[in-house]
Amino acid sequence: EVQLLESGGGLVQPGGSLRLSCAASGFTSSNYGMSWVRQAPGKGLDWVSSISGISHSGGRTYYADSVKGRFTISRDSSRNTLYLQMNSLRAEDTAVYYCAKYLGPRTSIFDCWGQGTLVTVSS
Amino acid sequence: DIQMTQSPPSLSASVGDRVTITCRASQSISNYLNWYQQKPGKAPNLLIYNTSSLQGGVPSRFSGSGSGTDFTLTISSLQPEDFATYYCQQSYITPTFGGGTKVEIK
Repeated sequence: EVQLLESGGGLVQPGGSLRLSCAASGFTSSNYGMSWVRQAPGKGLDWVSSISGISHSGGRTYYADSVKGRFTISRDSSRNTLYLQMNSLRAEDTAVYYCAKYLGPRTSIFDCWGQGTLVTVSS
Repeated sequence: DIQMTQSPPSLSASVGDRVTITCRASQSISNYLNWYQQKPGKAPNLLIYNTSSLQGGVPSRFSGSGSGTDFTLTISSLQPEDFATYYCQQSYITPTFGGGTKVEIK
């Protein structure tokens, strides 16, 4: 069974850093594009960042303008885990962060999601 | 970025009703349009991809149509478990989502 399990969320002060993890099981995550999508409290879904499958585009990375230069997406193939390093956090980054798997190569269709991890940026 | 606009933002319906939700893209996205269902406190769940392809395990009362800039999600006969928020998402370029449509019980 394909599963994604996020961890690493919590309370952090503005300007601080946090690293989110997403452990994949039931499939080899490095073969698929993977993304982080966030949802602020009571709001809609907002794409944050993606990394392509290694076999497709060699793990190319993409970022929303709102996080470019502050967030870094990466993966550890040996651990079958996706990461999101978040620096210079702002109050507006407060959200539940989901990792999601792409349905296939050359698509950005999210066919599997984790349960989410809450990041709260507040002093 | 491609902007996605959903309507209505919310609707009230009864079990057994036919429900239609629309999604409009700010530019043509061919058929690269997907629909998700989200229940409170849960992750989104893929219902339909590429406008009209039903994801495995999704009931056939869900269907999608459209092309270019205008798309619809139809629930042919609303069931109690369908009360949720629905999001459209374009996968033509960098993904963007619609604002959501909350389907509530009348």
